[in-house]
Amino acid sequence: EVQLVESGGSLVQPGGSLRLSCVGSGFTFSNYWMSWVRQAPGKGLEWVANINQDGSEKYFVDSVKGRFTISRDNAKKSLYLQMNSLRVEDTAVYYCARVMVGTTNWFHPWGRGTLVTVSS
Amino acid sequence: QSVLTQPPSVSGAPGQGVTISCTGSGSNIGAGYDVHWYQQLPGTAPKLLIYGNNNRPSGVPDRFSGSKSGASASLAITGLQAEDEADYYCQSYDRSPSAYWVFGGGTKLTV
Repeated sequence: EVQLVESGGSLVQPGGSLRLSCVGSGFTFSNYWMSWVRQAPGKGLEWVANINQDGSEKYFVDSVKGRFTISRDNAKKSLYLQMNSLRVEDTAVYYCARVMVGTTNWFHPWGRGTLVTVSS
Repeated sequence: QSVLTQPPSVSGAPGQGVTISCTGSGSNIGAGYDVHWYQQLPGTAPKLLIYGNNNRPSGVPDRFSGSKSGASASLAITGLQAEDEADYYCQSYDRSPSAYWVFGGGTKLTV
């Protein structure tokens, strides 16, 4: 069974930093693009970042460019999201998702998510 | 304001059918990019429901179907069941470098 498990979410003050992790199992992690998608409380889904198989290509939504970094360690089957200069509006559940490549990529499956709360 | 527009809510009685629309523009759906749909049950992570406009992953009942025409797409659900009550999101790709992979704002289905 393909599984993704996120960790690292917590309460952090505005301007602070946090590193999220996601461990994959049940599939060849190194063969897939991976992604982070977030959902603010009571709101919809927002794509945050993507990374290709060897980490040489990365894409970010405008609102996190220059503040968030995405990386991966294929030997550990792990995906990371380093979040710096956090803002109140970054408060959300952050989901890790495997990217399925097609004419237009989609996300499948998703992890259960980890909650990041940015508040003073 | 989401790049893809969905109705905030739809409702239907058990056994009936509903359709959820997803309207884009010439920089996303209208440019020929596929649409995918996700179901999010209360308190859980999103789950893939439809990919590539009209394909169902294994395990998804054939009561769920998707279609796409021009700059819009639709998710149809027939034979509504109580367990279908959830939020539904469409997703596609947008040429804008501000956010390549985009979602609709979500539609709350009440059965």
